[in-house]
Amino acid sequence: DAGITQSPRHKVTETGTPVTLRCHQTENHRYMYWYRQDPGHGLRLIHYSYGVKDTDKGEVSDGYSVSRSKTEDFLLTLESATSSQTSVYFCAISEGRGRADTQYFGPGTRLTVL
Amino acid sequence: SQKIEQNSEALNIQEGKTATLTCNYTNYSPAYLQWYRQDPGRGPVFLLLIRENEKEKRKERLKVTFDTTLKQSLFHITASQPADSATYLCALGSSASKIIFGSGTRLSIRP
Repeated sequence: DAGITQSPRHKVTETGTPVTLRCHQTENHRYMYWYRQDPGHGLRLIHYSYGVKDTDKGEVSDGYSVSRSKTEDFLLTLESATSSQTSVYFCAISEGRGRADTQYFGPGTRLTVL
Repeated sequence: SQKIEQNSEALNIQEGKTATLTCNYTNYSPAYLQWYRQDPGRGPVFLLLIRENEKEKRKERLKVTFDTTLKQSLFHITASQPADSATYLCALGSSASKIIFGSGTRLSIRP
């Protein structure tokens, strides 16, 4: 998985609790992304980062926040988890050197919100 | 709004035949198109990239075509094998940070 780890790999939590997912890379890539994958919707971008402390919103950012204090780490926080946030979350990285950029994905985190 | 459509139904192919997957898009002018493979319980893996000014790209048993007039890409796997069974995702991009993915087509190759 191209030097990308995600933690935890599985998590079950209750509605209203905060949750933080971690993505760690060893590739020194500039761009990092958080996606969620749901049946029938494919991968949808939540937030992405183009450098330390530089982040931007994606297609489905409501209810999520991110932080990137180091090149290698990108955190996704669900401020108050809801059942609609039950999903599989993927982190991805890319070099960001050109217009056509390959993304490398982590193994995913399966989150269940009860 | 931008939309990518892939065959929503699974595709079942006899081993040795050519599998052809379709990706159609609307309301988008991509600079490039990518295909990824995803196995159950794993993240997508990049396979091929084709740019807007390219018609066809090949890699081993894989071939991708890109028709910007029809707004369509075809993904071919020749001499298919059971190990090719997976979900295949199409993705369109206009810059490094703006990539949108289709929901994927599940391909099954039967021996």
